[in-house]
Amino acid sequence: ETGVTQTPRHLVMGMTNKKSLKCEQHLGHNAMYWYKQSAKKPLELMFVYNFKEQTENNSVPSRFSPECPNSSHLFLHLHTLQPEDSALYLCASSQDTGGGANEQFFGPGTRLTVL
Amino acid sequence: QKEVEQDPGPLSVPEGAIVSLNCTYSNSAFQYFMWYRQYSRKGPELLMYTYSSGNKEDGRFTAQVDKSSKYISLFIRDSQPSDSATYLCAQSSGGYNKLIFGAGTRLAVHP
Repeated sequence: ETGVTQTPRHLVMGMTNKKSLKCEQHLGHNAMYWYKQSAKKPLELMFVYNFKEQTENNSVPSRFSPECPNSSHLFLHLHTLQPEDSALYLCASSQDTGGGANEQFFGPGTRLTVL
Repeated sequence: QKEVEQDPGPLSVPEGAIVSLNCTYSNSAFQYFMWYRQYSRKGPELLMYTYSSGNKEDGRFTAQVDKSSKYISLFIRDSQPSDSATYLCAQSSGGYNKLIFGAGTRLAVHP
């Protein structure tokens, strides 16, 4: 595996289910991100982790719970979601959050549908 | 007011055409401007970036920033069907790796 991988690629869940999204980066990076991408809307930054520490929570509802056990893995735990949470969830990584033209590398995303 | 505005398209052009994709931004403090390309069923990938104002060229692609009008442009020369994708512009503060994205413009280049 190379780059940033995400599993599952597609997920359908009911509003009462609990599920988790997984992201793994094979780039030796120290920062990882979760984004939400909805149709015709800009990517919304959800969470940022730098060296396993959460550095940003962009006012995300508590039904989304991130976990970063190490610099290579990032999870997004989902529970009691709403239909409006249906979207493409993208994971990204970068060397760190040090700024400059610090390129973020994206995974292919998980297409989430909440019924 | 949206921080980065981008016409969603879709934009349909014939192969070989020159394509112009544009964004406007509101925050003058952010100095890095990026263009990402996103193919269907894939995540975005960085195409090119510029710092501050001016032009940057890479093959058939030219990125341009006009800070006086807060305008970001991407030009694609000799467009190919393989250029069909959604193009996302983004701004970065540079001091903290936070990207502010536009909504993306869907481009279709037909043979």
